[in-house]
Amino acid sequence: DTGVSQNPRHKITKRGQNVTFRCDPISEHNRLYWYRQTLGQGPEFLTYFQNEAQLEKSRLLSDRFSAERPKGSFSTLEIQRTEQGDSAMYLCASSLFGGRYTGELFFGEGSRLTVL
Amino acid sequence: GNSVTQMEGPVTLSEEAFLTINCTYTATGYPSLFWYVQYPGEGLQLLLKATKADDKGSNKGFEATYRKETTSFHLEKGSVQVSDSAVYFCALRANAGGTSYGKLTFGQGTILTVHP
Repeated sequence: DTGVSQNPRHKITKRGQNVTFRCDPISEHNRLYWYRQTLGQGPEFLTYFQNEAQLEKSRLLSDRFSAERPKGSFSTLEIQRTEQGDSAMYLCASSLFGGRYTGELFFGEGSRLTVL
Repeated sequence: GNSVTQMEGPVTLSEEAFLTINCTYTATGYPSLFWYVQYPGEGLQLLLKATKADDKGSNKGFEATYRKETTSFHLEKGSVQVSDSAVYFCALRANAGGTSYGKLTFGQGTILTVHP
């Protein structure tokens, strides 16, 4: 399967611990997006990369959140000192953007975080 | 800023009933509009899209028409099936230039349950 892959699929942690999620996009895609989805809500934009450059960060992304895409391929999203309010599904999407490509987003299945 | 509003759900229908899920948007310029679907346990999938006014997107028996005069993109299907049970998200993508170009803004989602 060559879709967007996210790991781990589920993470349960205690408040105050750090967690890291990984996203492997579709291989030729140059853009990678992170979204957060809470129960009963639509996905909320967090940040995105074009190749290795982080081009935009939402105000939702507090200083406890950091994302990287060091070689323009996979990306990590780290949450430090987790809080119960961080409990959500973290979605990754990728797209091929530029030129004649319309940048349709392809989503992974998400990483569910539960903070106890 | 850009925003998407979906009809408040959930929606429960009998098989073969007619479906409408309302979606309205607020955006500057001429956004592209999308419907994504999330089946239980799966990631978001693109259902259909429309990139300019009066375009009709269609897929799997679903249709939506981009109405700029009413800033709407309502999803319709003439005869739903049990397998259509899922969460449906309306989304827009700004088409203006700048670093925000490309990301999606989602509505809150509408849960559809179809009974035999």
